[in-house]
Amino acid sequence: NAGVTQTPKFQVLKTGQSMTLQCAQDMNHEYMSWYRQDPGMGLRLIHYSVGAGITDQGEVPNGYNVSRSTTEDFPLRLLSAAPSQTSVYFCASGPVEPQHFGDGTRLSIL
Amino acid sequence: AQKVTQAQTEISVVEKEDVTLDCVYETRDTTYYLFWYKQPPSGELVFLIRRNSFDEQNEISGRYSWNFQKSTSSFNFTITASQVVDSAVYFCALSVPSGSARQLTFGSGTQLTVLP
Repeated sequence: NAGVTQTPKFQVLKTGQSMTLQCAQDMNHEYMSWYRQDPGMGLRLIHYSVGAGITDQGEVPNGYNVSRSTTEDFPLRLLSAAPSQTSVYFCASGPVEPQHFGDGTRLSIL
Repeated sequence: AQKVTQAQTEISVVEKEDVTLDCVYETRDTTYYLFWYKQPPSGELVFLIRRNSFDEQNEISGRYSWNFQKSTSSFNFTITASQVVDSAVYFCALSVPSGSARQLTFGSGTQLTVLP
């Protein structure tokens, strides 16, 4: 049982580039979400989904897009990377709330 | 709005000491869940406990114990006989209803260092 799988684990981008962080879960969870973790600020919710075809914004959604075409996958897209998006990103899933987290993606924007 | 406060930014203890991590929360919801997560130096988030707001019984799991007090809106976490492997950042979190799902609000975390 893989749980929540995030790829890549590390990424360096230049300002203005776009990229997609991948997240997949094999527990058939309806709820999936993306968080970012910055020093001294805990984890902040970016976007979440309560099922395929349904997404909504969290606390810090600006600069990010999501889609949920299947129950298993919930990719996070950075449209035009900015240095302020340098962070560690966590994907999470659960029956109705985030309980299982991926190992994180460490993203640096130069 | 929900809020979780972990006032202790960093704690340092010597191995075998007991240590308590404080968590105070704010919510107007009557039904909510409280969580603790551990984040070791390797970076992953490890789920430790989920507690229903209607269950105020203390819980013990090995060297870990949790004290939930609704009257003071606190959900404190105690590690007994701490070990070096307990060194990590510990997050307290609050889950409340939000539409058809529940949203998790995290505290800013407490860095625990256990010295040999």
